Amino acid sequence: QAVVTQEPSLTVSPGGTVTLTCGSSTGAVTSGHYPYWFQQKPGQAPTTLIYETSSKHSWTPARFSASLLGGKAALTLSGAQPEDEAEYYCLLSYGARGVFGGGTKLTVL
Amino acid sequence: EVQLVESGGGLVQPGGSLRLACVASGFTFSNDWMRWVRQAPGKGLEWLANINRDGSEKNYVDSVKGRFTISRDNAKNSLFLQMNSLRADDTAVYYCARDQYRSWGQGTLVTVSS
Repeated sequence: QAVVTQEPSLTVSPGGTVTLTCGSSTGAVTSGHYPYWFQQKPGQAPTTLIYETSSKHSWTPARFSASLLGGKAALTLSGAQPEDEAEYYCLLSYGARGVFGGGTKLTVL
Repeated sequence: EVQLVESGGGLVQPGGSLRLACVASGFTFSNDWMRWVRQAPGKGLEWLANINRDGSEKNYVDSVKGRFTISRDNAKNSLFLQMNSLRADDTAVYYCARDQYRSWGQGTLVTVSS
């Protein structure tokens, strides 16, 4: 089974910009992996921020954007807010199966 | 309003079985692929299984293949996860999610312990 890697932790200043990445042990991440990004706060179910590389749901704050960058999937937060402090997970598809990354704990400080 | 409500979790002994259910409302259940995801205490998310719209295609992560079975009843807007031969490392909150992970349930806790 493929391994999906994320930064274990990142810190961003309020109002600052940070990029989280999502890599694959099998090689470059492509749109064919249909990358997803999720936000999870303590004690809550995950919410989906981004689907299929860069598409946003109606509830996704505009300050979040996503792309493919340097062979990885990337989630960029521009103008971080205190409420963005959370765990962020990416998900890549390998055929009909999915594999989550280990998550990035984002601190807004 | 879209809702996914899981049930069926609880305490079970190692080697035992449990059947989880996820009842959907607020959308056309039969139009969506569905999936199960779990999260062990203090750990990350783990993709478990998915099922296509009519239940004819099912996919599993290797760690549960042969022990867990995903199924659905479109007439009852329900998704199921039959879990057999449970082990301590199956202890987790189990979530159901709809197509494109647009909605998640609140999760149901399964604890495998003697």
